[in-house]
Amino acid sequence: DTGVSQDPRHKITKRGQNVTFRCDPISEHNRLYWYRQTLGQGPEFLTYFQNEAQLEKSRLLSDRFSAERPKGSFSTLEIQRTEQGDSAMYLCASSMEVSGNTIYFGEGSWLTVV
Amino acid sequence: DAKTTQPNSMESNEEEPVHLPCNHSTISGTDYIHWYRQLPSQGPEYVIHGLTSNVNNRMASLAIAEDRKSSTLILHRATLRDAAVYYCIGFGGNNRKLIWGLGTSLGVNP
Repeated sequence: DTGVSQDPRHKITKRGQNVTFRCDPISEHNRLYWYRQTLGQGPEFLTYFQNEAQLEKSRLLSDRFSAERPKGSFSTLEIQRTEQGDSAMYLCASSMEVSGNTIYFGEGSWLTVV
Repeated sequence: DAKTTQPNSMESNEEEPVHLPCNHSTISGTDYIHWYRQLPSQGPEYVIHGLTSNVNNRMASLAIAEDRKSSTLILHRATLRDAAVYYCIGFGGNNRKLIWGLGTSLGVNP
């Protein structure tokens, strides 16, 4: 499968624990995005990379959230000291560096904080 | 940010055409109009996108108004597998991120 892959697909964690999600984009894509989605809502933008550079970060991303994309390949999204409000689906997407180009999404990583 | 407005829900019958409208009056001249759809518990799936001209692909057609303030996604023959939430988004140009609304939940009756 050559699409965007995310791992793990589901994570249940206790409040206060740290969690990390991994995203492997489509290999030739140099743009990578993270979104968060809660039930009944559209996805919310979190952050965006072009190669290894994090070019934009949403105000939604508190100090507890950090994303990296070393070497411009896979990316990780870490949430520290999780809270119940962090329960959501975290979506990763990638695209080529062409204006208006198609963005391809992974299947998402579901986080439940108990 | 290019915000869009869509009806909350629509119903269609199987094998009939479906026209899903979207208003995007604040879209910039360089933003493409993208449509995605999402099934429950899955990531969004690309459907179609365009800038000014109408576009066709194997999944759907996209009709863009001349003033680019609105567009319509056309599913020529709805199937049960087309039941999903459909999102219309302005993206591209200087806008590097997708701003999602609530989308239109499409129900397809057998």
